[in-house]
Amino acid sequence: AQSVAQPEDQVNVAEGNPLTVKCTYSVSGNPYLFWYVQYPNRGLQFLLKYITGDNLVKGSYGFEAEFNKSQTSFHLKKPSALVSDSALYFCAVTPRGQAGTALIFGKGTTLSVSS
Amino acid sequence: DVKVTQSSRYLVKRTGEKVFLECVQDMDHENMFWYRQDPGLGLRLIYFSYDVKMKEKGDIPEGYSVSREKKERFSLILESASTNQTSMYLCATNMRYEQYFGPGTRLTVT
Repeated sequence: AQSVAQPEDQVNVAEGNPLTVKCTYSVSGNPYLFWYVQYPNRGLQFLLKYITGDNLVKGSYGFEAEFNKSQTSFHLKKPSALVSDSALYFCAVTPRGQAGTALIFGKGTTLSVSS
Repeated sequence: DVKVTQSSRYLVKRTGEKVFLECVQDMDHENMFWYRQDPGLGLRLIYFSYDVKMKEKGDIPEGYSVSREKKERFSLILESASTNQTSMYLCATNMRYEQYFGPGTRLTVT
């Protein structure tokens, strides 16, 4: 079965420090990969995507993610965390060739950035 | 900007009631989706639609139905609401590779 794993329920980091939110996937073939963020009582906002090309993808709010095919991972990173980055983050995938279909989501990781 | 709106942000219903959750998109997209979000479970697909009057079951369709009479509107129906359907419901539409989400409806069934 196709799936996405976010191994950490919560990540805590101090403001100004680098942050990483982990994601691994199990999807047949080469997938399209996404990160979304959800602020309290809000819908999901798109952060970034990997479709093809450079393995390092840059997105909104200074976030980036690295696609690693051999490790089937797509970790979200930011060099310097802000308190305002505190939110719930979801990794999602869709099988290549099925761009219009539903996404498969991980369970989410809560990022808490302390001042 | 793509805009996806949902009819209610918060909704409280009684067990056994028939509940309608409405979603409207303004971009003429063909694909629309209903997800359910629960803590620790992430988002799970309930139903999706590729076109008017077309629907496909997702991973957890039991207890739900959908209606898509017009391209811009996709409704989720709880035929007889139960307490285990208390959840956050998110509607989405997609353009190429990206999905765009509405603000969500937090439904409480008492």
